Amino acid sequence: DTGVSQDPRHKITKRGQNVTFRCDPISEHNRLYWYRQTLGQGPEFLTYFQNEAQLEKSRLLSDRFSAERPKGSFSTLEIQRTEQGDSAMYLCASSKQDRHRDSGGTRNEQYFGPGTRLTVT
Amino acid sequence: AQSVTQLGSHVSVSEGALVLLRCNYSSSVPPYLFWYVQYPNQGLQLLLKYTSAATLVKGINGFEAEFKKSETSFHLTKPSAHMSDAAEYFCAVSANTGNQFYFGTGTSLTVIP
Repeated sequence: DTGVSQDPRHKITKRGQNVTFRCDPISEHNRLYWYRQTLGQGPEFLTYFQNEAQLEKSRLLSDRFSAERPKGSFSTLEIQRTEQGDSAMYLCASSKQDRHRDSGGTRNEQYFGPGTRLTVT
Repeated sequence: AQSVTQLGSHVSVSEGALVLLRCNYSSSVPPYLFWYVQYPNQGLQLLLKYTSAATLVKGINGFEAEFKKSETSFHLTKPSAHMSDAAEYFCAVSANTGNQFYFGTGTSLTVIP
């Protein structure tokens, strides 16, 4: 398994442009998460999917942001009409989730990708 | 609701000295607790996790953490710091259903030779 991958790793765009990021989770993982991390801060939750269903969205996810996971595998995060405040590292994570509290093993652990660093000029 | 507080945004220790990074949590349900490490321009790597099986949790690279319910703490320790431990460390909490994680603001660890 190659882990969670994200593309691109870096993106520089001008204010007002649209950008799209891709995340490929670990293959058997049914949950996929998007986080945003700004300098000097911890990651902040944006949204997550269980298979192809988007189950929760943060208030941070304005209407300029949209995420999809059409076939329950890879996901895309699109930001429309980018603003300078959107500059951040966008992190994707995946996990194999089940209902039972895990006393060991790797279930319910989130594995993170390397992130996409967005700079809006 | 869940949240974590990491006391000390910057910690410096000498090589070979004890590392202690503090994390206090707030959770309305039995929590999952995690410590992650982040190296510059990289994603987060899981160091260890608590899921109620044992209060003392051992992780990778010689790190361990102890869950203390009475103190609502989950501090990270390592007996002897190594230069390669210099990084940003994040504590995180989630509800026992394992939905979104709530991260602390991070602690930057510097190891002095």
